[in-house]
This record gives sequence, structure tokens and C-alpha cells, in this order.
Amino acid sequence: GEDVEQSLFLSVREGDSSVINCTYTDSSSTYLYWYKQEPGAGLQLLTYIFSNMDMKQDQRLTVLLNKKDKHLSLRIADTQTGDSAIYFCAESTGGFKTIFGAGTRLFVKA
Amino acid sequence: GAVVSQHPSRVICKSGTSVKIECRSLDFQATTMFWYRQFPKQSLMLMATSNEGSKATYEQGVEKDKFLINHASLTLSTLTVTSAHPEDSSFYICSAAPGQGPVGYTFGSGTRLTVV
Repeated sequence: GEDVEQSLFLSVREGDSSVINCTYTDSSSTYLYWYKQEPGAGLQLLTYIFSNMDMKQDQRLTVLLNKKDKHLSLRIADTQTGDSAIYFCAESTGGFKTIFGAGTRLFVKA
Repeated sequence: GAVVSQHPSRVICKSGTSVKIECRSLDFQATTMFWYRQFPKQSLMLMATSNEGSKATYEQGVEKDKFLINHASLTLSTLTVTSAHPEDSSFYICSAAPGQGPVGYTFGSGTRLTVV
């Protein structure tokens, strides 16, 4: 069945770049998303990419998609302490149903 | 932008009682809303898809008689946890999409349910 996997933890120093990786299994995925969840809060959509794109940049965020390897990454440049949160990778085939990864907990050390 | 309001944010109830959680789309109509459950340090588990004016669609393994979903209007869906037990303690999150495709979901802020 459909599955989305990502590493559980990442620790970086403030000012460094963070790279969060994700792999998915559904080759028919049309949209891939990155969500951010702060403690005790719901999920916030950070960015998304169409499956026919290789890269998308939005300010400090860069999304890279390797469709052949079904690999998605999120790079956060100049990581700040406020970026500490859980980041969820998700994929959908264009309908409403979306499959989420388990989330990567990002720790930013001052 | 699209906003989804979820209420209450925290609730503590006694075993055997029922708890109702509300999810409202504030500035858009949502024919479909989703209810998720999140365990500590785990991802979101889709519980059910709430359809306005019709029965909800439950995911495999989710007891529909225990988790009652009502979607009576285009802006409101409710989840009632009936006869709650301590194992029902969790973080429940609702979401809705203003449209299909790449817009993604807008999530409520979640409800922390503790059953004592």
C-alpha cells in the first residue's frame, strides 16, 4: 500500500542549513507536501510541489523531488530556533486523500 | 487565507462519558472534512472522512459507533467520542480543503483529549 517514510530526528545549529528527507512508494502521486507542526498545534502547510517538477524554492525553503527514486527533500536555509518543530512529508494523487509520513522532529541549537 | 477552527483545544473527561469536538471552516465551505488522531511522536492517522449531508466514511479499524461524526452543514463537522476510555486519550485534529488538488489541507489547531 501507500507509504511515506522519513527520519524521526534532525538536530542542527542555528544558522546552518537543515535538510529533511522523505521517501514515498506511490508512483502515481501527483502532489507532495511539507507541513510544519509546532507543539500542541495543528499542521501548517509550508509548501508543495507537483510531481512534474524537480525543484521549488520559496524564500528559505527549497524542495527537491527525485521522482525516479521517489525521494523528496526539504532544505531550510539559515535555520532559526523558531524553525524547531515537527515536519511532515505527505503525498496525494490529486484527490482529497493524503498520506502522511511519521514526521521529522527538528531541533535547532542556539 | 482559509481558516479551520477546532474547539475545544483541551478537554479532560471521566471514563464512560462522551465528548464532542467541533471543527468549523470559517471562511470557506467544506463539503468534506477529515478527522485525524495523532499519538505521541507519531504521524497523523486518518480516522474518517466527514461528508456534508451524508454518512462519514471510516478507515479500517476505526469504530464508527464509538467515534460518531456528524457533518450537518457546509461549515461544521463534529466528532463525538462516546463512552470514552483512557486509551482514547489522544490528540485529535480535523482538516478541510478549500478545493481539490495542490491547495492542501487547512488544519484545525487540534484537541487534546485526556480521559481519566
